[in-house]
Amino acid sequence: AQTVTQSQPEMSVQEAETVTLSCTYDTSESDYYLFWYKQPPSRQMILVIRQEAYKQQNATENRFSVNFQKAAKSFSLKISDSQLGDAAMYFCAYRSGLTQGAQKLVFGQGTRLTINP
Amino acid sequence: NAGVMQNPRHLVRRRGQEARLRCSPMKGHSHVYWYRQLPEEGLKFMVYLQKENIIDESGMPKERFSAEFPKEGPSILRIQQVVRGDSAAYFCASSPDRAYGYTFGSGTRLTVV
Repeated sequence: AQTVTQSQPEMSVQEAETVTLSCTYDTSESDYYLFWYKQPPSRQMILVIRQEAYKQQNATENRFSVNFQKAAKSFSLKISDSQLGDAAMYFCAYRSGLTQGAQKLVFGQGTRLTINP
Repeated sequence: NAGVMQNPRHLVRRRGQEARLRCSPMKGHSHVYWYRQLPEEGLKFMVYLQKENIIDESGMPKERFSAEFPKEGPSILRIQQVVRGDSAAYFCASSPDRAYGYTFGSGTRLTVV
């Protein structure tokens, strides 16, 4: 079974600076998707960024980018120019790419990000 | 196009009562997923449904929990004879097909007293 590990329960960063959140995963599959979700106090799960395993190029979405290391099974999220609105729980998630496989997401434990003004 | 709608947003039940959680997927989405989030934890998969079919219920507890997604109407997650350990946030998500990404609802927070 696939597992996702986020080793940083909490992180903090000064406003306008850069922070990197870590995520590692374990799978025997070669085709899969990786995600970062943000959960603010409102509880809404918001998709931040998505990476297909077959793509070598790291995904980017404005101030958010990932460092995808397939061989190391590592998928870190970098947030540049941190803003107060970035404060939230961040979850890393894995989904199988098998067409006949389960469509479930496997989540890590989360990292609580605090932005210091 | 409204997002995934979950209601109620908060639900309080006494031990032994039944809890019914509703999820209306986005328009055009025929795939529904339910997840449970215990305090300070990530979301855990419970069940994946398509219209009138349960596709994957590998994360559902064997007793007291059931889910349905009828031809008409919302998806329902039913918890019978609730216990304190059922207190959690329950999230629903939907997608238009198997390969597409999810859209999550805002969740229902169930408190069992």
